[in-house]
Amino acid sequence: AQSVTQLDSQVPVFEEAPVELRCNYSSSVSVYLFWYVQYPNQGLQLLLKYLSGSTLVKGINGFEAEFNKSQTSFHLRKPSVHISDTAEYFCAVSVRGNEKLTFGTGTRLTIIP
Amino acid sequence: DADVTQTPRNRITKTGKRIMLECSQTKGHDRMYWYRQDPGLGLRLIYYSFDVKDINKGEISDGYSVSRQAQAKFSLSLESAIPNQTALYFCATSDWDLGETQYFGPGTRLLVL
Repeated sequence: AQSVTQLDSQVPVFEEAPVELRCNYSSSVSVYLFWYVQYPNQGLQLLLKYLSGSTLVKGINGFEAEFNKSQTSFHLRKPSVHISDTAEYFCAVSVRGNEKLTFGTGTRLTIIP
Repeated sequence: DADVTQTPRNRITKTGKRIMLECSQTKGHDRMYWYRQDPGLGLRLIYYSFDVKDINKGEISDGYSVSRQAQAKFSLSLESAIPNQTALYFCATSDWDLGETQYFGPGTRLLVL
């Protein structure tokens, strides 16, 4: 079975600074990888996803992530964060042929003015 | 109007009571899911349905049941609520394609006393 590890439960970052949220996965077969964002008191929405092809994936709101098969990682990055990026971020994985998502435990991103 | 709606948005109930959470979607998707979110645990899959006649248990189905009344409606029931079922519950939908994005409702916050 697949699994996801988000190494940081909380990440504080100053406004306009860069940020990286880490995600590692475990699976014995090919995977699809996702990052979802949950703004306060809302449901989750998709930031970006990797299905195949280019390992650098660009998403909404200036976020991007890079799929690294050798390191089994899918870290999320943004070069300059804003107050509006304050949210909880979830990495998720699904396996080809089984479309259920397995989520990580989430990383709470706090932007410091 | 929201594509995925959940009712109620908030609910307080007592131990032993039966409670139903409802989910409706206007996206025309075949696949529907129920998750629960607990602090520090991320989202865990309770049940999922790939079409009206297909219902499957997820990671944590004990104490829950579901009903898929139509393509657009998927209800979650707690037959006899207990305090450790206090959580935030999300419904999600997706289309049938591989690696398809899941679309989440706004969530139902349930407190079992």
